[in-house]
Amino acid sequence: DMKVTQMPRYLIKRMGENVLLECGQDMSHETMYWYRQDPGLGLQLIYISYDVDSNSEGDIPKGYRVSRKKREHFSLILDSAKTNQTSVYFCASSWGQYQDTQYFGPGTRLLVL
Amino acid sequence: GQQVQQSPASLVLQEGENAELQCNFSSTATQLQWFYQSPGGSLVSLLSNPSGTKHTGRLTSTTVTKERRSSLHISSSQTTDSGTYLCAIGHSGTYQRFGTGTKLQVVP
Repeated sequence: DMKVTQMPRYLIKRMGENVLLECGQDMSHETMYWYRQDPGLGLQLIYISYDVDSNSEGDIPKGYRVSRKKREHFSLILDSAKTNQTSVYFCASSWGQYQDTQYFGPGTRLLVL
Repeated sequence: GQQVQQSPASLVLQEGENAELQCNFSSTATQLQWFYQSPGGSLVSLLSNPSGTKHTGRLTSTTVTKERRSSLHISSSQTTDSGTYLCAIGHSGTYQRFGTGTKLQVVP
């Protein structure tokens, strides 16, 4: 069953706290992505990972970092979260780079107070 | 960077009517995908169509690459088609960028 999972689905944090968002996929996809989605701005790419320990910045990497130690797991870390990082975060994966169909997780709603 | 414009921003249809959604982009694309986002937020890929015409079920996408535009036609709309339709564009050597979407509401 081809699936991308995200944990947690909902999260409330206070400004300055650290945040860890987890993503998993069971398709052995090489490429994984982290996006955030805000009203009126669409999906914006934060980071892209081409494989284990091979990560690149997307359009809005500031304030975020990622970790990929296993092909099936991709983590997004917010060190000292800010209120403007309140958003819905989506993880996705695809077989290859750039051109292949992306499979999305269900999203994580993060509220930073 | 690549700019992706979708129109209309929102659309309300009576069930059974057809929908025409537009996607315009600022530079040549080698990849174009249409996605559907449900009212609950889940995202699925509908089809990939970097050029020409492609059909799947009640969906038809036509992309004219040199004119930097793509359309998604939904025939005989159903209430379950309600949601947001996103266009994503990529070109060789870089990741895709998304438009802000067209929000479709199909009423009975």
